[in-house]
Amino acid sequence: NAGVTQTPKFQVLKTGQSMTLQCAQDMNHEYMSWYRQDPGMGLRLIHYSVGAGITDQGEVPNGYNVSRSTTEDFPLRLLSAAPSQTSVYFCASSYRGGVGHEQFFGPGTRLTVL
Amino acid sequence: AQKITQTQPGMFVQEKEAVTLDCTYDTSDQSYGLFWYKQPSSGEMIFLIYQGSYDEQNATEGRYSLNFQKARKSANLVISASQLGDSAMYFCAMRGGAGGTSYGKLTFGQGTILTVHP
Repeated sequence: NAGVTQTPKFQVLKTGQSMTLQCAQDMNHEYMSWYRQDPGMGLRLIHYSVGAGITDQGEVPNGYNVSRSTTEDFPLRLLSAAPSQTSVYFCASSYRGGVGHEQFFGPGTRLTVL
Repeated sequence: AQKITQTQPGMFVQEKEAVTLDCTYDTSDQSYGLFWYKQPSSGEMIFLIYQGSYDEQNATEGRYSLNFQKARKSANLVISASQLGDSAMYFCAMRGGAGGTSYGKLTFGQGTILTVHP
């Protein structure tokens, strides 16, 4: 299994540009989440999904959209990038079971908005 | 709402000694889970240990143990026999509630940077 994969690893955008961060998992996990990590801070939840077709907002959803058309994929869309969205983005997946339903994290995408 | 507080921005420990990283939490849920993750300088998030709110015994995983004091709402991570490779950022996190949407949501603390000296 590849686990949770994220593309791209690095991205530089100009203010106002849009882009999609890709996330895929091959473990058939029901739950998927997006977090952002800013310098000196912990991870904060942006959006999450409890299954295909079902998404909800987390703590910091403004400026981001998600959709979940399949179990495997959970893309994060930046509609109009702003410098405040410069961050490292982590995608995670989990399933009902396992050790406390732990979340498995992808390697992260480092995004810089100029 | 849940909240995780890690009050130690940085900790230093000598190789082969034990170290405790503090974590306190706040929640109104009766059922919840507490996690510790390690983030080395390479950036990935590595799951270390889990404690459920109804678990009567403290969790242990190799050199990691979780000192769970429910009444004090604390979930401290104890690393025994520190190694140079333990130098990293450590995050305490909480999953609130039981079932349903709670499985996809973690609340993280600010993290503690641990430096192990030879």
